[in-house]
Amino acid sequence: GAVVSQHPSRVICKSGTSVKIECRSLDFQATTMFWYRQFPKQSLMLMATSNEGSKATYEQGVEKDKFLINHASLTLSTLTVTSAHPEDSSFYICSAQDGRFVDYNEQFFGPGTRLTVL
Amino acid sequence: AQKITQTQPGMFVQEKEAVTLDCTYDTSDPSYGLFWYKQPSSGEMIFLIYQGSYDQQNATEGRYSLNFQKARKSANLVISASQLGDSAMYFCAMREEGMGGSYIPTFGRGTSLIVHP
Repeated sequence: GAVVSQHPSRVICKSGTSVKIECRSLDFQATTMFWYRQFPKQSLMLMATSNEGSKATYEQGVEKDKFLINHASLTLSTLTVTSAHPEDSSFYICSAQDGRFVDYNEQFFGPGTRLTVL
Repeated sequence: AQKITQTQPGMFVQEKEAVTLDCTYDTSDPSYGLFWYKQPSSGEMIFLIYQGSYDQQNATEGRYSLNFQKARKSANLVISASQLGDSAMYFCAMREEGMGGSYIPTFGRGTSLIVHP
């Protein structure tokens, strides 16, 4: 099946710094990418939908200036957590949608990034 | 209102037995898709099975089958012959068509399955 990579898999940073997470579709062109946040033992919370070449659509309650999303190419989307604070510590997962398949499992997930802000 | 409801926060099953994980959904969209994902402790989301709203037959994938009852808006996952490696979180998800034709996924809260030897 299609492969989506995420980098880094784990990051620890100091409060106040910015962290960039990359999501890449390795063998297909992703017209749409989704960014999720997951707290321990909880469900995935959709943060934003990212379409190549356009501004991301953020879910209600997600700060656009805090979580910067850039989808510069059909294979890469980045999430930058700006001025990170301990409450931003979480598991961040991206998924990529192959625009050729509108049915079945057209969403492919990355392995996730565990962010810890000290 | 929740679109995807998983009422079982935790389930236990004996190895080699079958287990059913419940999922109900709420939508007014006639066209939708239902998914089940497995998330082991490593965190990766593993796709298990898919059911389209217009599919006449229940989906099956190896030991996984989806008991789709459209009138009840129910999409339960059945795992047959449970294995120790099945211990994980299981998420039910629904895809509806959002604004502009994009497909917006919604996830349930998940069910933690523990398989006992």
